[in-house]
Amino acid sequence: GDSVTQMEGPVTLSEEAFLTINCTYTATGYPSLFWYVQYPGEGLQLLLKATKADDKGSNKGFEATYRKETTSFHLEKGSVQVSDSAVYFCALRLTGGFKTIFGAGTRLFVKA
Amino acid sequence: KAGVTQTPRYLIKTRGQQVTLSCSPISGHRSVSWYQQTPGQGLQFLFEYFSETQRNKGNFPGRFSGRQFSNSRSEMNVSTLELGDSALYLCASSFRDRGSLRGNEQFFGPGTRLTVL
Repeated sequence: GDSVTQMEGPVTLSEEAFLTINCTYTATGYPSLFWYVQYPGEGLQLLLKATKADDKGSNKGFEATYRKETTSFHLEKGSVQVSDSAVYFCALRLTGGFKTIFGAGTRLFVKA
Repeated sequence: KAGVTQTPRYLIKTRGQQVTLSCSPISGHRSVSWYQQTPGQGLQFLFEYFSETQRNKGNFPGRFSGRQFSNSRSEMNVSTLELGDSALYLCASSFRDRGSLRGNEQFFGPGTRLTVL
């Protein structure tokens, strides 16, 4: 079945370090891919999305490229800040589908 | 535009009781989904409604039910509460333009934190 696998956390980085959170997926159709972020005590916020192969989603310095050949959608940021500390979820949604499938989430801690 | 709103934000119930949670989607959004989030199980899909019809359902017992009204607002109900139902319940809405990629993303509310004692 359709699934999303993302790297286990927690990930601990120092401020201004480079961030990569790996995400791979399995899908029977043609999914759209998403990264969501959840800050403590809050719901999920859409961080970025890509709807077809080779699309690059970007927002707030975060980027992810839809790689169909490797079925991946890795999240990257060149220089993290303390305020980026949160849980990040990779997700997919099939075109015309009625279900979003989420990865397990990766907790990121950024130290000053 | 106002975001997705969920009421109540916090709820404490005892075992055996029932509870109803409410979700108001973003104006113009016709699809509403519900998720349960727990530390152990992560985000689990409950069900999705579109045009007042349940379109998909996750692997939850029949104690979990929902409905959607003509104005797209949705409610979910949990009957005969168990300790394990303690969780953050998240509602998400999307525009849901069927057959295209537009409006595919979901926007989440802040959640209702349910504690079952």
